[in-house]
Amino acid sequence: EVQLVESGGGLVQPGGSLRLSCAASGFTFSSYEMNWVRQAPGKGLEWVSYISTSGSTIYYADSVKGRFTISRDNAKNSLYLQMNSLRAEDTAVYYCAREMATSYSDYWGQGTLVTVSS
Amino acid sequence: QPVLTQSPSASASLGASVKLTCTLSSGHNNYAIAWHQQQPEKGPRYLMKVNRDGSHNKGDGIPDRFSGSSSGAERYLTISSLQSEDEAEYYCQTWGTGRVFGGGTKLTVL
Repeated sequence: EVQLVESGGGLVQPGGSLRLSCAASGFTFSSYEMNWVRQAPGKGLEWVSYISTSGSTIYYADSVKGRFTISRDNAKNSLYLQMNSLRAEDTAVYYCAREMATSYSDYWGQGTLVTVSS
Repeated sequence: QPVLTQSPSASASLGASVKLTCTLSSGHNNYAIAWHQQQPEKGPRYLMKVNRDGSHNKGDGIPDRFSGSSSGAERYLTISSLQSEDEAEYYCQTWGTGRVFGGGTKLTVL
């Protein structure tokens, strides 16, 4: 069974940093591209970042470029999102999602809540 | 990068059918899309991919009541024999350099 479990969310002050993790199991993690997607309270889904299987290709949404860094450790079956210079508008539930053949997300985690507030 | 447009809301009666629409922006009508369901207080769940020709492939365990189709720049999700648990937000997604989501359609089952 495919499982994606996010962790690392919490309350952080504006300008602060946080590192999210996503533990993957039930599939060969190194064979799949991965994404982070977020959802602000009461809003829709917003794509945040993409990483290829080897980590050699990375994309970011304009809203987080230069502040967030996606990475992965295939030996640990884990995906990460380092978030710096956090703003109130980054408040959201963050989901990791497995990607099918450079296209759509076919499995999602349950999400971790990040709240940026003083 | 394509843009996806969805109606904010839809409603239909228990046991009836409903057809949700996702519209691709001009110049992108050859793109495939994916449909995702998000029930209240839950994470999204992949439903199916819908190709330009209307063919679709569903995710694991998705009931036959859910089907996809296509016409021009529009991609559809049809849910038949509506059940109460189908009341949810439905998002379409496509992909280019980045990944793109529509604004979502909130489906109410009456």
